Amino acid sequence: AQSVTQPDIHITVSEGASLELRCNYSYGATPYLFWYVQSPGQGLQLLLKYFSGDTLVQGIKGFEAEFKRSQSSFNLRKPSVHWSDAAEYFCAVGKRDYGGATNKLIFGTGTLLAVQP
Amino acid sequence: DTAVSQTPKYLVTQMGNDKSIKCEQNLGHDTMYWYKQDSKKFLKIMFSYNNKELIINETVPNRFSPKSPDKAHLNLHINSLELGDSAVYFCASSHPSGQGSTGELFFGEGSRLTVL
Repeated sequence: AQSVTQPDIHITVSEGASLELRCNYSYGATPYLFWYVQSPGQGLQLLLKYFSGDTLVQGIKGFEAEFKRSQSSFNLRKPSVHWSDAAEYFCAVGKRDYGGATNKLIFGTGTLLAVQP
Repeated sequence: DTAVSQTPKYLVTQMGNDKSIKCEQNLGHDTMYWYKQDSKKFLKIMFSYNNKELIINETVPNRFSPKSPDKAHLNLHINSLELGDSAVYFCASSHPSGQGSTGELFFGEGSRLTVL
């Protein structure tokens, strides 16, 4: 069965420091992979996605992620964190069903990022 | 202007009551979803509709009844509310994946349901 693991429940970094959030997935075929961010009281916003091709993908807000098939990982990175990046981050794998008519996203449990001044 | 909108944003009600949450998307997508986010922030799919047809029903109690009057709308009706139904319910929509689309989901802002 498909699954997503985010090993870090809570991470605290200093403003200006680099960030890496870990994500491991289990999926039989080539996955669609996503990172979403959820600010308090808000919905989920797509940061970036991997579909195929270049394994290093760029997203919004200066985030990037690297797909490593050999490690079944899709870690999210940012070189310099800003205070406004404090939020909950979710990794997800997309399972295409019914000929692609629906894309069932299976989410990890999330990583809560706190940013210290 | 909002892509996926849900109403109401907050809902507080007593056990045993019936309530509905409405969702509308103006993105022209064919597929819509309901997700439930529990108190530990875990997100789980409940339903998926494609062109008004139910195609995913993830072992959700039959007290939950989704309805899609057209492609742009997906409503969620909940009968006989229980304490465990307290959660944030997210509506989402997507294009079918393939044909140049990766099928990413666009989420609404959520409807926080509190059952007392």
